Amino acid sequence: EAGVAQSPRYKIIEKRQSVAFWCNPISGHATLYWYQQILGQGPKLLIQFQNNGVVDDSQLPKDRFSAERLKGVDSTLKIQPAKLEDSAVYLCASRTRGESGTANNEQFFGPGTRLTVL
Amino acid sequence: DAKTTQPPSMDCAEGRAANLPCNHSTISGNEYVYWYRQIHSQGPQYIIHGLKNNETNEMASLIITEDRKSSTLILPHATLRDTAVYYCIVSSSGNTPLVFGKGTRLSVIA
Repeated sequence: EAGVAQSPRYKIIEKRQSVAFWCNPISGHATLYWYQQILGQGPKLLIQFQNNGVVDDSQLPKDRFSAERLKGVDSTLKIQPAKLEDSAVYLCASRTRGESGTANNEQFFGPGTRLTVL
Repeated sequence: DAKTTQPPSMDCAEGRAANLPCNHSTISGNEYVYWYRQIHSQGPQYIIHGLKNNETNEMASLIITEDRKSSTLILPHATLRDTAVYYCIVSSSGNTPLVFGKGTRLSVIA
């Protein structure tokens, strides 16, 4: 099966500019996540969707970051305006809905988008 | 914050077993131990998970101590392609977001 697709793979912008990232999860996966990974650190969750609804966005800097998953499939993450500290790899992941309480937390990650803010 | 502690780096000779330790002394009864790895310039990849019994799949084995306060991921015959950052994660259910620490950078040496 096709994996999680992300684009672009690389993006360089200047601070205060806007940028958008796109993610196409694995077909049929109801749950979608966006993570931010700063160099040298593990990924950090930004937002979690279940179909087209937001489950957890507690760590999303809502003054500048926004995300949507309008039809419950593709998702976009936007930063407006970008700051230097937003330089990171933005990872999208998806998983099946699974049964309630299932232990399997196998998330499938895309290759990420590397953002550099100058 | 991550609920696990891992050594920052380890080396392993190619063909030998790689044993990656993880401490999770505050793990709760309903929390599972998951292992992911991240090869350079790629997204993390699921390896294995377990509750209290040892688990094995085609990639690795997971050994969890009886008190569940620590675990070891075993790659039985490490290859150069196993060079990656390995993350040990404690998570309560399948729909819970993963909380990553800094992981262990494993270098497999020829």
